Amino acid sequence: EAQVTQNPRYLITVTGKKLTVTCSQNMNHEYMSWYRQDPGLGLRQIYYSMNVEVTDKGDVPEGYKVSRKEKRNFPLILESPSPNQTSLYFCASSFIGTGGFSYGYTFGSGTRLTVV
Amino acid sequence: RKEVEQDPGPFNVPEGATVAFNCTYSNSASQSFFWYRQDCRKEPKLLMSVYSSGNEDGRFTAQLNRASQYISLLIRDSKLSDSATYLCVAPNRDDKIIFGKGTRLHILP
Repeated sequence: EAQVTQNPRYLITVTGKKLTVTCSQNMNHEYMSWYRQDPGLGLRQIYYSMNVEVTDKGDVPEGYKVSRKEKRNFPLILESPSPNQTSLYFCASSFIGTGGFSYGYTFGSGTRLTVV
Repeated sequence: RKEVEQDPGPFNVPEGATVAFNCTYSNSASQSFFWYRQDCRKEPKLLMSVYSSGNEDGRFTAQLNRASQYISLLIRDSKLSDSATYLCVAPNRDDKIIFGKGTRLHILP
């Protein structure tokens, strides 16, 4: 089954304790992206990657890191989490066609992170 | 103008009615548009791509108006199961994909 797999689904952690949220897709998509979703603010892009070893900042990259060493994996790293990073996080991937057009995202099931 | 703007709603619509949402976008060069559906606390799921010629999938019709820079979603014969938040998507001037904040739809029995 074609899918984007995120882990963990739920995570409660303490301020300053490094954590990684994993994201893996089995569709051979070039494009992968991380979003956070907060009430009233919608989906905001954190980082995205057009292909292996190519990553770019989205709208809200502060406090996050990513890496794209393999095409299928795009982990999100919080080196020193803070309470304002409490949010619902989604990973997404997409095939990029000729001309750079996306054919629509497939999202993971989400990770609900609470930082206390 | 905001890059992608939607009426947040909520739209409270009786079952069986027709409902339409619009979404305006700022990048006149945008080529890829989509509508997503998101249920509470779940991931967004692709509902429809939006093509220049418009497209229809069962009770759902999506259209693009380039002159006025908006896309629309029409739902006919609405069902209780259509209750969700509907997100529109368009690329901005840097080709980053931007999601609207969503329009909440409640179908009333």
